[in-house]
Amino acid sequence: QITLKESGPTLVKPTQTLTLTCAFSGLSLSGDGVGVGWLRQPPGKALEWLAHIYWDDDKRYSPSLKSRLTVTKDTSKNQVVLTMTNMDPVDTATYYCAHMSNWGSIHWYFALWGRGTLVTVSS
Amino acid sequence: QSVLTQPPSVSGAPGQRVTISCTGSNTNIGAGYDAHWYQQFPGTAPKLLIHGNTNRPSGVPDRFSGSKSGTSASLTITGLQAEDEADYYCQSYDSRLIGYVFGSGTKVTVL
Repeated sequence: QITLKESGPTLVKPTQTLTLTCAFSGLSLSGDGVGVGWLRQPPGKALEWLAHIYWDDDKRYSPSLKSRLTVTKDTSKNQVVLTMTNMDPVDTATYYCAHMSNWGSIHWYFALWGRGTLVTVSS
Repeated sequence: QSVLTQPPSVSGAPGQRVTISCTGSNTNIGAGYDAHWYQQFPGTAPKLLIHGNTNRPSGVPDRFSGSKSGTSASLTITGLQAEDEADYYCQSYDSRLIGYVFGSGTKVTVL
C-alpha cells in the first residue's frame, strides 16, 4: 500500500523560502518508472502542477515557476523535498505530493495523492 | 485561466446520466496526450478516477467512464448517486507549455 504525507510550515512570511517534505512508503524512487510530483490548490481554485522528479533523478518544473522551484529526492529516506523561494501571498494554497504512474497510459498521471498541507503566506 | 476548459457545474437527479466535458487544443489532448480525471470532495485530496482516457483504477465504480475525441475528453457518470456530489478535474500534458495542465474543475450536484 502506497502512502504519501506532506510536512512543512503552515505559515511563511513574504519573501521567505518554503521547504516542504513528502515522506512516502510502499514505493521506491530507486525503481524504474516511479515518479513523485508536487501540486498545489489555492483556496477555492483549481489544481496546478508545480514539479516532479523521476527515479532516474530527471526533474521537471512548471515553466511559470521554474526560477523559484527546486525538487530533490533522498532515496534512502523515502523522501522528496520541494523548495520554493520568494514566497508571496498569492502562493497561499494547499500543497500536495503525489505518486506518479504511467501504467495503462502512454503518459504520466498522478495516481495517488497525499492529504496535502495548507501553507499561508502572510506577514 | 485554465488551458483545459470544463463547465463550472453540472447537475442531475439520482439515477440520471451526466457528462462533463474537457475541451483542450492541438497542443494537449488534440496532440494525442492522454486525459485523466480526478474526483475531489471538499477538504480532501483529489483521487484518480480515470487514467489513459478510459481506464478505471481498481475500486472505481463502473458507473464512471471516460472518452476522448479530437481535442476534447469527457467523463460520464451513468446512474448518478448522491455520493457522487464532488468536484471533478481533467488533466493532460501540454507540449507548448511543456508541463502538466488541469481543467478549471466541474462541480457535480445531485438534485
